[in-house]
This record gives sequence, C-alpha cells and structure tokens, in this order.
Amino acid sequence: DAGITQSPRYKITETGRQVTLMCHQTWSHSYMFWYRQDLGHGLRLIYYSAAADITDKGEVPDGYVVSRSKTENFPLTLESATRSQTSVYFCASSENTQNTEAFFGQGTRLTVV
Amino acid sequence: DAKTTQPNSMESNEEEPVHLPCNHSTISGTDYIHWYRQLPSQGPEYVIHGLTSNVNNRMASLAIAEDRKSSTLILHRATLRDAAVYYCILIGNQAGTALIFGKGTTLSVSS
Repeated sequence: DAGITQSPRYKITETGRQVTLMCHQTWSHSYMFWYRQDLGHGLRLIYYSAAADITDKGEVPDGYVVSRSKTENFPLTLESATRSQTSVYFCASSENTQNTEAFFGQGTRLTVV
Repeated sequence: DAKTTQPNSMESNEEEPVHLPCNHSTISGTDYIHWYRQLPSQGPEYVIHGLTSNVNNRMASLAIAEDRKSSTLILHRATLRDAAVYYCILIGNQAGTALIFGKGTTLSVSS
C-alpha cells in the first residue's frame, strides 16, 4: 500500500539502551523529516533529509542519529535513551519543502523508563 | 523562516463558517503559506497552501491579504471532526528548508 509507515507504533525501553525508530515511504519523495511531540506541546523538528545520504539537523538534534542510505527509509536512532526522550515521534515525507504537501506517519509513542 | 502569529484558541459551532487568522508581517516574497492541522492523537495533515492568490480545495479556502502580511484559513461549514490544532507555517525557497511548527490555534467545535 502506498503511504508512509512508522514502526513500531509503541515502544518501551530502558534508560541507556539504544533504540531505532523506523520510517518507510513508498512515493520516492526526496525529503523526509523526524519530529517529536511532547505531551501538550507542539511539534519540534529533530532531523531532516533532502535526499539519500544527505541529512541536516533540525531544532532539537542532540541525542539522536539519523541515516538515509535509501530514498524510502529514514531511521531515527536514540543511541542512549534518556527519560527526556519520552515522546511521540512523527515521520514525514514530501517531494519538496515549499510547494507540495508533506505526509505524516501515524507516530511512534516511545516511553523511556 | 519568517514567523507567524496565531490566536491560541478559537471556538465555533457546528455547520457555521470558521475563519482562522494568521499574521506574518515579515513574510518574504518567495515564502509559501502552508496550513496543517492535527486532530487529537493523530499526526498532522495538510490542509492547503498558497503563495499570492486565494486558494480553494475540498477541505478549505485560503485567503491571502494583498500585502501578504496576513492570511485566513476558512472552513466553510465546521463539523465536529474539524476540532483540531491548526498550524500556519511559512516556507522559504532556500535549500534545505523544512516545516517548522509553532503553537497553532486550537479550534473547538460545539454541536
């Protein structure tokens, strides 16, 4: 099915563990994005990518690592999870950033205990 | 990217029109105006975008002021499903720009 999917939908992990959130899109969109949304707050951009092998920091990149070896995938890794990274994470994709719409995934709810 | 200012919250009644304002006095000539909304417990979804002219689609209309320093998202007949946070976002034409979300306007719809 065409679209953008995130996995897992829910994840509980322990402080200090490494965890990877997956994002896959089927449109071959050039741009992909990762956001986090804390309870009762707005979305904040973590990292984004303009194409395979091109990534850039967003507003809150510390503690996160991304890679984009294939156009359709944009995994987000928390190398050593902390409680402050408990959040809902949204992935998005778009063909370009200015004149087309972005499509968002359903989100991954991550809890760090 | 230039900043936007939106009211924190607005209320509407079902089946009435809703006008959601957005001020962007520092907009540049090449900035697109985008609107997204986020329903409870869901990811954001695209609503509409425009550059200079008013735009219509199946979801809403976007009215852009002649000087482009403000815009208004118009929902022609609000439904309960339109209760959401609405974000007005400016996107420039620099390489590597991305959607940066502000606080948005929380729209409540009453039956």
